[in-house]
Amino acid sequence: NAGVTQTPKFRVLKTGQSMTLLCAQDMNHEYMYWYRQDPGMGLRLIHYSVGEGTTAKGEVPDGYNVSRLKKQNFLLGLESAAPSQTSVYFCASKRNRQNTEAFFGQGTRLTVV
Amino acid sequence: TQLLEQSPQFLSIQEGENLTVYCNSSSVFSSLQWYRQEPGEGPVLLVTVVTGGEVKKLKRLTFQFGDARKDSSLHITAAQPGDTGLYLCAGVEYGNKLVFGAGTILRVKS
Repeated sequence: NAGVTQTPKFRVLKTGQSMTLLCAQDMNHEYMYWYRQDPGMGLRLIHYSVGEGTTAKGEVPDGYNVSRLKKQNFLLGLESAAPSQTSVYFCASKRNRQNTEAFFGQGTRLTVV
Repeated sequence: TQLLEQSPQFLSIQEGENLTVYCNSSSVFSSLQWYRQEPGEGPVLLVTVVTGGEVKKLKRLTFQFGDARKDSSLHITAAQPGDTGLYLCAGVEYGNKLVFGAGTILRVKS
């Protein structure tokens, strides 16, 4: 049972470079989320999706874009990385509106230099 | 977006002591959750509380949801080193968003 898988686990980017973080879930969940976690700030919601083909902004969406072309995948893109985007990124999914338990991936540690 | 405030931010106690962590908001959530996160891992759900005044127990952990559904507490009895970790409360905004507090880092020394 893979659950929620994030790729890659670690990455170092130079300022201005772009990259895509991939989140894949094999639980047939409708809802998917991208968070960033910084020391002392908990998990902050970047973008989320309530179903295939839909996306919505969270608390801190600036500098990020997302796509949900397939139900099982949720991609997070950084068009032009900045040092302020150095963080640990977590993807999560949950079954639907009624089921509130979220399942998290193991995180992607991103450093922008 | 509704904000959740957790306190304390950091707690260091001896094995066998009791502790309480608080999670407060000025807004109402449809339900509130507590997660535990260990280093290098994603958060894992401990409990969901839905009804105002609800109390749930999970072994030595007791979770309470405030009557007005704006606050919650986590009480650990006789803490053990294995309880060490980051405890996060999360509010469910009527089915869609999951909003997290900043977390409480708990360290239990043997």
